[in-house]
Amino acid sequence: NAGVTQTPKFRVLKTGQSMTLLCAQDMNHEYMYWYRQDPGMGLRLIHYSVGEGTTAKGEVPDGYNVSRLKKQNFLLGLESAAPSQTSVYFCASSLVGLYEQYFGPGTRLTVT
Amino acid sequence: QQQVKQSPQSLIVQKGGISIINCAYENTAFDYFPWYQQFPGKGPALLIAIRPDVSEKKEGRFTISFNKSAKQFSLHIMDSQPGDSATYFCAAVSGGSNYKLTFGKGTLLTVNP
Repeated sequence: NAGVTQTPKFRVLKTGQSMTLLCAQDMNHEYMYWYRQDPGMGLRLIHYSVGEGTTAKGEVPDGYNVSRLKKQNFLLGLESAAPSQTSVYFCASSLVGLYEQYFGPGTRLTVT
Repeated sequence: QQQVKQSPQSLIVQKGGISIINCAYENTAFDYFPWYQQFPGKGPALLIAIRPDVSEKKEGRFTISFNKSAKQFSLHIMDSQPGDSATYFCAAVSGGSNYKLTFGKGTLLTVNP
């Protein structure tokens, strides 16, 4: 039981490049979330999903897209990376009706 | 607008001392208040949580105190140990908003030996 895994762990992009971050969970959780963590800012919600095929915007969605084609996977895409998207990205998941979220180990993204 | 305010930003405590981190919230729809602990290079992990119908919850050396009328809650770490050195985040959740977490900005705790 791996819990929540994230791929890749580290990535360096140039401005304007695109990439996709993958989050996978093996706990059969319905809800999945993408956060970004910046120094002194805490964690801020980018997008979330309440089930397969559904997505919704969080607090800071601009510049990101997401997809949830399979229940166990939640993808975060950057179509045209900007230096302001340099951050550590965390994925989390939870069961329906339960408050506890389980976090992955994070992806450190640097955009130059 | 910042819905959960956390203080202090950083805290240094001697081994065996008490660490206290405070949070305040504005949205009365919040109905669950967790604390997350994060070690360097790791994801946050749930440490302890409380619901607003309870004024205090204790788990080992960790205690949450909750003041509903003041819309404040705090984390107390008794007999602090160097292994407690981490970043602590308070958060608030509303079950009516798809269980989205609203985080405070975090407190970096250092416990000196």
